[in-house]
Amino acid sequence: GEDVEQSLFLSVREGDSSVINCTYTDSSSTYLYWYKQEPGAGLQLLTYIFSNMDMKQDQRLTVLLNKKDKHLSLRIADTQTGDSAIYFCAEFSSGTYKYIFGTGTRLKVLA
Amino acid sequence: DAGVIQSPRHEVTEMGQEVTLRCKPISGHDYLFWYRQTMMRGLELLIYFNNNVPIDDSGMPEDRFSAKMPNASFSTLKIQPSEPRDSAVYFCASSLNPGQANYGYTFGSGTRLTVV
Repeated sequence: GEDVEQSLFLSVREGDSSVINCTYTDSSSTYLYWYKQEPGAGLQLLTYIFSNMDMKQDQRLTVLLNKKDKHLSLRIADTQTGDSAIYFCAEFSSGTYKYIFGTGTRLKVLA
Repeated sequence: DAGVIQSPRHEVTEMGQEVTLRCKPISGHDYLFWYRQTMMRGLELLIYFNNNVPIDDSGMPEDRFSAKMPNASFSTLKIQPSEPRDSAVYFCASSLNPGQANYGYTFGSGTRLTVV
């Protein structure tokens, strides 16, 4: 079945790197995404990666994909207090034509 | 572009009452999604529409929930009668084409529903 799992919490100090991990089970996923949810707001698309890629970098964000292990990670360099939020990974299933969201990881950045 | 607009932002109602949540998608987006977010269950897809037609309503919890999209610029999610366990944040999202990676979803700010 389709299931996307994430650790629930992560705490880092300002200026350090954050790494948020995600595992998924649907091997037919075409794209994988990272969304950010700030308090009281909806989810905002951060970045995405095609399933045939291993890595994608976008400014402070680096996405790594290990298809063999069905493991996706998001690295945030030089983490700032404004990065404190809930981060969701999501996979797009071409079979069902819909997204499956992970449980979300709450990132807390300590000043 | 004002984004996806949801109303109301907050709703407090008594058990047994009817609740209607509203959503205006981004103009030109052919897909509209209703999600529910709770601490216990995370984000759950309730239903989605393509070109105003319901495509997948398998996530709708029970007959108390219904959703409509009478035109391309408006959708409603109705709960009748409401129960305390319906308390959650309900999100509407729209997309030009979820099958194209760079489009993704655009989410509204959500409606926080509290049923007492």
